[in-house]
Amino acid sequence: TQLLEQSPQFLSIQEGENLTVYCNSSSVFSSLQWYRQEPGEGPVLLVTVVTGGEVKKLKRLTFQFGDARKDSSLHITAAQPGDTGLYLCAGATSGTYKYIFGTGTRLKVLA
Amino acid sequence: DSGVTQTPKHLITATGQRVTLRCSPRSGDLSVYWYQQSLDQGLQFLIQYYNGEERAKGNILERFSAQQFPDLHSELNLSSLELGDSALYFCASSVDLAGGDIQYFGAGTRLSVL
Repeated sequence: TQLLEQSPQFLSIQEGENLTVYCNSSSVFSSLQWYRQEPGEGPVLLVTVVTGGEVKKLKRLTFQFGDARKDSSLHITAAQPGDTGLYLCAGATSGTYKYIFGTGTRLKVLA
Repeated sequence: DSGVTQTPKHLITATGQRVTLRCSPRSGDLSVYWYQQSLDQGLQFLIQYYNGEERAKGNILERFSAQQFPDLHSELNLSSLELGDSALYFCASSVDLAGGDIQYFGAGTRLSVL
């Protein structure tokens, strides 16, 4: 069974701090996506990474795909209260149409 | 607004009952995915349809079934409901077929089985 483990599970930090969320698997993925989900809404795609070692930046968010395409990280610089939410990684395996979602990281940024 | 519409937003029913959840994908999207999200299980992939045909199956129970109609909307049928079926059910749609495609999620249907 393919699993995507995310860590930490919960994170509560002060505004302005930096943080990193990790997404790890023993499986190789052809692509990996990061989503943010807010209460009462569906997940919203933040980024897709497809190449091993790829780094993508989205304002204060930096996403990295591991060289072996088994893991990924999301780094947030100078977190804001608006970053609060559930962060999910999701991996897709080449040749399949299934997405495996990670266990999620619930982030709370305090003003 | 993702462009994916799910109805109803909330559903309260009793054990043993049957319900139907509906999803209208974004205009032009041929793929529809169904997911179940519960507090202790995270987001679980249930099933995917592409242009009316089933393409991938995940952890979908035999009591659950889905279909995609010619107009591309999809329905998820849940029968013989149990307390443990209480969860958020999300539909997502995308244009392409293969993994790595961008999925757009609806706001979900919250099912409460009493």
